[in-house]
Amino acid sequence: QVQLQESGPGLVEPSQTLSLTCTVSGGSISSSPYYWSWIRQPPGKGLEWIGYIYYTGSAYYNPSLGSRVTISVDTSRNQFSLKLKSVTAADTAFYSCARDNCGGGGCLDSWGQGTLVTVSS
Amino acid sequence: QSALTQPASVSGSPGQSITISCTKTNSYVGNYNLVSWYQQHPGKAPRLIIYEVTKRPSGVSNRFSGSKSGNTASLTISGLQAEDEADYYCCSYASSSSCVFFGGGTRLTVL
Repeated sequence: QVQLQESGPGLVEPSQTLSLTCTVSGGSISSSPYYWSWIRQPPGKGLEWIGYIYYTGSAYYNPSLGSRVTISVDTSRNQFSLKLKSVTAADTAFYSCARDNCGGGGCLDSWGQGTLVTVSS
Repeated sequence: QSALTQPASVSGSPGQSITISCTKTNSYVGNYNLVSWYQQHPGKAPRLIIYEVTKRPSGVSNRFSGSKSGNTASLTISGLQAEDEADYYCCSYASSSSCVFFGGGTRLTVL
C-alpha cells in the first residue's frame, strides 16, 4: 500500500517561494503508469489541481498558475517537490500530494494527509 | 469560474437515491472521456470513488455509480446512508493540454 507524506514550511511570507516535498513509501516513484500530483484546497473551498510529474521528469501544470509553479522529481529519494513562486495570501491552502493511477488521466487513488501553508508576514 | 460545473448542494433521505451532475462548460476540457469522482469528509483527504466515467476502485461500494451523456457526467448514490454525507468533486482530464480540472464541489446532506 503506497503512502505519501508532505513536508515543508507551514508559513511563507508574501512574494517568497513556497516549497514542499512529498515522500513516497511502499512503492517506487519510478513505476509506470503513475503520475505524481500536487493539489491544493483553500480552507473551506474546493480542490484545485496544481500539476503533476512523471518519473522521467515530464511535468504538466495548471494554466491558471502560469510560470509560478515548478514540480520536480528525485527518484533516488523517492520524492517529488513543488515550488510556487511569488506567493500571495490567495495561495494560502492545504497542499496535498497524490498518485495519479491512470497515466495522468486524473485518477488520484492515493493521497497524502495534506499540509496547511499560510502566506502571511 | 470552473471548467466543470456542479450543483453547490444536494440532499436526500436515507434509502433514497441522488444524482450529482458535472457539466463541462469549457471546450478546453476536450472530449470529456476521463471523468473521475471524489468523496471528501470534513478534515479528511479526498477518496477516489469513480474513475474513467463508470469504473469503481476496489473497495468502493456498488451503491456508487457513474455515467455520462454528452457534456454532463453524473454520480449516482443509491440507498443513501448517513455516512455518505460529504463533499463530492468531479474531475476531468483535458487531453489538449494534459491538464486536470476539478469541479467546484457538491455538498451532500443526508436528511
